[in-house]
Amino acid sequence: DAKTTQPPSMDCAEGRAANLPCNHSTISGNEYVYWYRQIHSQGPQYIIHGLKNNETNEMASLIITEDRKSSTLILPHATLRDTAVYYCLPMDSNYQLIWGAGTKLIIKP
Amino acid sequence: DAGVIQSPRHEVTEMGQEVTLRCKPISGHNSLFWYRQTMMRGLELLIYFNNNVPIDDSGMPEDRFSAKMPNASFSTLKIQPSEPRDSAVYFCASSSHGGGYTFGSGTRLTVV
Repeated sequence: DAKTTQPPSMDCAEGRAANLPCNHSTISGNEYVYWYRQIHSQGPQYIIHGLKNNETNEMASLIITEDRKSSTLILPHATLRDTAVYYCLPMDSNYQLIWGAGTKLIIKP
Repeated sequence: DAGVIQSPRHEVTEMGQEVTLRCKPISGHNSLFWYRQTMMRGLELLIYFNNNVPIDDSGMPEDRFSAKMPNASFSTLKIQPSEPRDSAVYFCASSSHGGGYTFGSGTRLTVV
């Protein structure tokens, strides 16, 4: 199963773009990369996912490198409510998400 | 859609008592997952069902834990007897045909 590496914590100023990196060098060709976040005391919330192409939705953008070994989640205009733990997750061939420790993102006013 | 519904939101029980956690998945979703989250161990997959059938229960910590899914709209996770080390937040999630998961709000279990 693919493993991911994320920085344990990051800070970002309110109103700026938050760029969260993820290394998934062992991901296989058919494994999607999913991003979730968990705000304190709540269930994880789906953000976005992708396979090869960059993706964008109302919450964020996902940039995947051409070799698929890493990706970056971009929150274009971070707000205080974006403070959360962000998880980068491969989905394996059994459609299971493989959870790591994630990145604790703190948005500062 | 009301999302994944879990009950109760909070449960405090005495050691040795039976605890039953409940989950109603999103209508039409064919996979259901039970997770446990603690500060020390993070999110752990306990068991998942596909079309109401248990597929992988290797994450269930021991025989005190059992899970059932009698139909597509309901699942239970039972702990009998409960122990203080079972204290955690238990999440239920559902998904459709390998898509992303939708999580419930969780049940915070405290065993004293």
